[in-house]
Amino acid sequence: DADVTQTPRNRITKTGKRIMLECSQTKGHDRMYWYRQDPGLGLRLIYYSFDVKDINKGEISDGYSVSRQAQAKFSLSLESAIPNQTALYFCATSDLRGDGANVLTFGAGSRLTVL
Amino acid sequence: GQNIDQPTEMTATEGAIVQINCTYQTSGFNGLFWYQQHAGEAPTFLSYNVLDGLEEKGRFSSFLSRSKGYSYLLLKELQMKDSASYLCAVRDSNYQLIWGAGTKLIIKP
Repeated sequence: DADVTQTPRNRITKTGKRIMLECSQTKGHDRMYWYRQDPGLGLRLIYYSFDVKDINKGEISDGYSVSRQAQAKFSLSLESAIPNQTALYFCATSDLRGDGANVLTFGAGSRLTVL
Repeated sequence: GQNIDQPTEMTATEGAIVQINCTYQTSGFNGLFWYQQHAGEAPTFLSYNVLDGLEEKGRFSSFLSRSKGYSYLLLKELQMKDSASYLCAVRDSNYQLIWGAGTKLIIKP
């Protein structure tokens, strides 16, 4: 089984619909993240959480919300989807290594298309 | 603003060596990362540099010059499976990761 599991892997929806992307992890990491990836752009951080009671906005949080239901679960919601939210979404976890590197482990991605 | 620059695409031959450059302008510096991303898949961690110099890991090496805001990823003995995008990311003074758009590496036989 994958260390970081995202569902659904692919979703097509219509403008105005509410969408939830779910992420669960077996790494035992406290830190979890949601990124979006668009062609020609770097990964952009939407939200991140350092533990169950800690939620932080990232670079592009407008139009999104998150819920950290447990250490292992972090879900991303689009309350009213719009076409420019069409993208590939990645969930990631991290743990701090002894050398100070905060290495990310990514899920396989959720491809969302908003018509 | 913060900026990471990498070439959009590079082509190399199987068995050869290729160097992928990354230049950055960020608010502070707390480490540079390289990730590999095969088409349609998740990025996977390759290397981390926080001090100047070369870090070698098998066929892959990564170099950092903090004074020049410059890093490169060196891939030796290229294999077809090395065809992928290579993402450069810098951790800034707030410990936030700033990502480049990635370099798509095409390996030809």
